[in-house]
Amino acid sequence: QVQLQQSGPGLVKPSQPLSLTCVISGDSVSSIRAAWNWIRQSPSRGLEWLGRTYYRSKWYNDYAVSVKGRITINPDTSKNQFSLQLNSMTPEDTAIYYCAREDTEVEDFDYWGQGTLVTVSS
Amino acid sequence: QSVLTQPPSVSEAPRQRVTISCSGSSSNIGNNAVNWYQQFPGKAPKVVIYHDDVLPSGVSDRFSGSKSDTSASLAISGLQSEDEADYYCATWDDRLNGWVFGGGTKLTVL
Repeated sequence: QVQLQQSGPGLVKPSQPLSLTCVISGDSVSSIRAAWNWIRQSPSRGLEWLGRTYYRSKWYNDYAVSVKGRITINPDTSKNQFSLQLNSMTPEDTAIYYCAREDTEVEDFDYWGQGTLVTVSS
Repeated sequence: QSVLTQPPSVSEAPRQRVTISCSGSSSNIGNNAVNWYQQFPGKAPKVVIYHDDVLPSGVSDRFSGSKSDTSASLAISGLQSEDEADYYCATWDDRLNGWVFGGGTKLTVL
């Protein structure tokens, strides 16, 4: 059974970066049939896909246009986890952030983290 | 404004059937499989239909999905109070090169 455990701060100051980590159990971040995603949810923007990382002989990343230039998603094979860094946070980035596994053969998000409410405020 | 369009809310009586629509374009629904997610307050979404019409193991067969051209639908038959939740459609968008979601539909079982 795959489990994703998120960690990170719940409060970020405007202009500061957000850093979240998602620890994977029951699968490998290097799995060739998975991609590891970050998705956020807010009342104003609904569910919004932010980006993903995946391994297919080498590491790849895809990022949403809305956050490209501010976002980095990195795998950490030594700890079997992946991370999100989102720079230059503004109040509009206030949301619940989820990590999620994408089964790339089935093409769905089949396992999700518990979610982290991140508030951007001074 | 979400890329995929869903009705904000639907309601129906217990034991009846309800459908939730999801409208997109040729770059997303028209060319890629659609998934449907169920979400309860304070919980992460859970997939109830994947690849347009496939039921995941453990999901009630009262749920079904369909797709035609650039639109998809989720149907729930024999409505029960436990089905009351938010439902989201999602698919890959070739033009945006990323996953896109519908705005969500709140299902109320009267």
